[in-house]
Amino acid sequence: DQQVKQNSPSLSVQEGRISILNCDYTNSMFDYFLWYKKYPAEGPTFLISISSIKDKNEDGRFTVFLNKSAKHLSLHIVPSQPGDSAVYFCAASAQETSGSRLTFGEGTQLTVNP
Amino acid sequence: KAGVTQTPRYLIKTRGQQVTLSCSPISGHRSVSWYQQTPGQGLQFLFEYFSETQRNKGNFPGRFSGRQFSNSRSEMNVSTLELGDSALYLCASSPYRGARHVEQYFGPGTRLTVT
Repeated sequence: DQQVKQNSPSLSVQEGRISILNCDYTNSMFDYFLWYKKYPAEGPTFLISISSIKDKNEDGRFTVFLNKSAKHLSLHIVPSQPGDSAVYFCAASAQETSGSRLTFGEGTQLTVNP
Repeated sequence: KAGVTQTPRYLIKTRGQQVTLSCSPISGHRSVSWYQQTPGQGLQFLFEYFSETQRNKGNFPGRFSGRQFSNSRSEMNVSTLELGDSALYLCASSPYRGARHVEQYFGPGTRLTVT
C-alpha cells in the first residue's frame, strides 16, 4: 500500500522556466510534509517542508503548496536551474507516530536543460 | 559541523552471511533513523533510535536489527542475507526525539550488494 505517490517518474524543463513536481497521499493522518532532493551517490538533502495547518510555504526559489481536501501537494521551483537536476522525493509524517518516521514517495527525476 | 557519516560506503556480501553497517550522526543529534532504498520499493523506514532505545520500527523482518550507543552512533545488522536485501541503506539524524517538525539529515548511504 503506497501511501505517498509521485505519479511522474520524470520531468524535463527548460532553464529559467517553472518546474512543478506533484505528490499525492492517501493517509489522512499525515500532517507534516517534506521535500528532499537527491543526487546520485549522495543521501537525500532536505529542501522545504509544510505543516497541514498551512497551505503554502515559500523558501527562495522553492514553494510547496498543500491541498488537504485533495490530499495533494506540489513543489514549485522558479526559476529552474541546471543544478536543480536531481531526484526529488516527497515525504510525509503521521501525527500518531512519535519520532522521526517518514513515508516517502517513489521520487521524480527532474532534468533542467540549459 | 560534520555531516552524517556512514561506513562502509560499499559492501559486497554472499547470501546467508550477515552484515553490520555503521552510522555517526551529526554532533549533538540524538535521534538516528535508518532507511532502505531499492528501485522497486523506494525509500522505506527501517527503525529509529533515541537515547539507545528503539522508538519506531518499520515493516521489516526480524533479520534486520539495530542499536545505538551512548555517543548516539548507531549500527544496523542484517543476518542471513538474501538477494533482495541488496539496496542503499541510509542513515538520518535529527536533534530531538519526536522531531517530526524538524528535518532529518541524511548520510551518503551504504550500498550493499548480496550475491
